[in-house]
Amino acid sequence: DQQVKQNSPSLSVQEGRISILNCDYTNSMFDYFLWYKKYPAEGPTFLISISSIKDKNEDGRFTVFLNKSAKHLSLHIVPSQPGDSAVYFCAAMDQGAQKLVFGQGTRLTINP
Amino acid sequence: DSGVTQTPKHLITATGQRVTLRCSPRSGDLSVYWYQQSLDQGLQFLIQYYNGEERAKGNILERFSAQQFPDLHSELNLSSLELGDSALYFCASSGTGPPSTDTQYFGPGTRLTVL
Repeated sequence: DQQVKQNSPSLSVQEGRISILNCDYTNSMFDYFLWYKKYPAEGPTFLISISSIKDKNEDGRFTVFLNKSAKHLSLHIVPSQPGDSAVYFCAAMDQGAQKLVFGQGTRLTINP
Repeated sequence: DSGVTQTPKHLITATGQRVTLRCSPRSGDLSVYWYQQSLDQGLQFLIQYYNGEERAKGNILERFSAQQFPDLHSELNLSSLELGDSALYFCASSGTGPPSTDTQYFGPGTRLTVL
């Protein structure tokens, strides 16, 4: 049962444009959401998070949007840079259960 | 560098064998988490320890076990290995215990190959 889904295995974006990565979840108990970035041969690195009491959180070039009614979140990267090329994982947590549930990941490629 | 170390980096073994993966958390972190990433899959939560005690359990097989020692390092033991156990195993650590939204910092992973 895939509770967190990233339906796009890959995404290719031109340098300087906006990258939008999407994530859907099914468990209404999830109340905290995160995005992690992963380079090859490295562990995931925390990027940005959002609590269910908010609908937007911004950190520099990265913005996460949460639509609770649609059980959907997205990560916007503006402007996209070549160093952003990586696999991005969406993750969700039910703070009571204390378990992070990850999506399958989206491979983002930024083309020069 | 996240500050979380994992050894070994790579491990190749045969079916039926037993292996131990080791994780040292960031200095001061009390929680350790183990995750499994199979080919083209997301990370699957296995188990969490906080200050030496098991705190949360995911889809961890009975053939797998873990522990956290007094110095806070953790070991994940995988026994009666099967081909399907081939995966990347990540350890993560965070400062506090549950309930917490403390950021989890991941190590570089151990790649296990079962032949």
